[in-house]
Amino acid sequence: KAGVTQTPRYLIKTRGQQVTLSCSPISGHRSVSWYQQTPGQGLQFLFEYFSETQRNKGNFPGRFSGRQFSNSRSEMNVSTLELGDSALYLCASSLARGGDAFFGQGTRLTVV
Amino acid sequence: KNEVEQSPQNLTAQEGEFITINCSYSVGISALHWLQQHPGGGIVSLFMLSSGKKKHGRLIATINIQEKHSSLHITASHPRDSAVYICAVYTGANSKLTFGKGITLSVRP
Repeated sequence: KAGVTQTPRYLIKTRGQQVTLSCSPISGHRSVSWYQQTPGQGLQFLFEYFSETQRNKGNFPGRFSGRQFSNSRSEMNVSTLELGDSALYLCASSLARGGDAFFGQGTRLTVV
Repeated sequence: KNEVEQSPQNLTAQEGEFITINCSYSVGISALHWLQQHPGGGIVSLFMLSSGKKKHGRLIATINIQEKHSSLHITASHPRDSAVYICAVYTGANSKLTFGKGITLSVRP
């Protein structure tokens, strides 16, 4: 059974640009959550999607958005990138909301 | 004060030692995760607990809901156990995870 797949693995963007990250959950998993990890703040919750609907949102500005498709794949978008957005972005999928979470390898975003 | 606190912050052990990592939380939870992160970033979920104790190989996780405390034990530690161990909780009926800052474990041969 394939694990959670995140693409791309690495990304370098310039301030002011926008970026889209992709997450393919484990087959059959309907819940996808996104997290940001930085050395200073650690892991922080971004948002959770279940059945194509955003169910929870963390304390991030509106530049951070996401969506989930009917096949449960999810994308997150960050617009008007800032240097402080440089981080490891992780997604996790689970069979049900609040269930055992399986993490992807992450996308490491560097904003220059 | 963070909702999830882990101790100690850093830990160094000799191969073969018994290791205990602690996690305390200050909110009501529905479940607690122990996560392992190796250099390079990938996170592996070791356990999800809502009560009692779970064992997998050399790893044992316990949780005391009344005391709001969980421990992760590693028996017969090995250098490949060197990683960051992160405690995370699902708070109440919410399905978002709140994380501790993690503990960096180094196991010397």
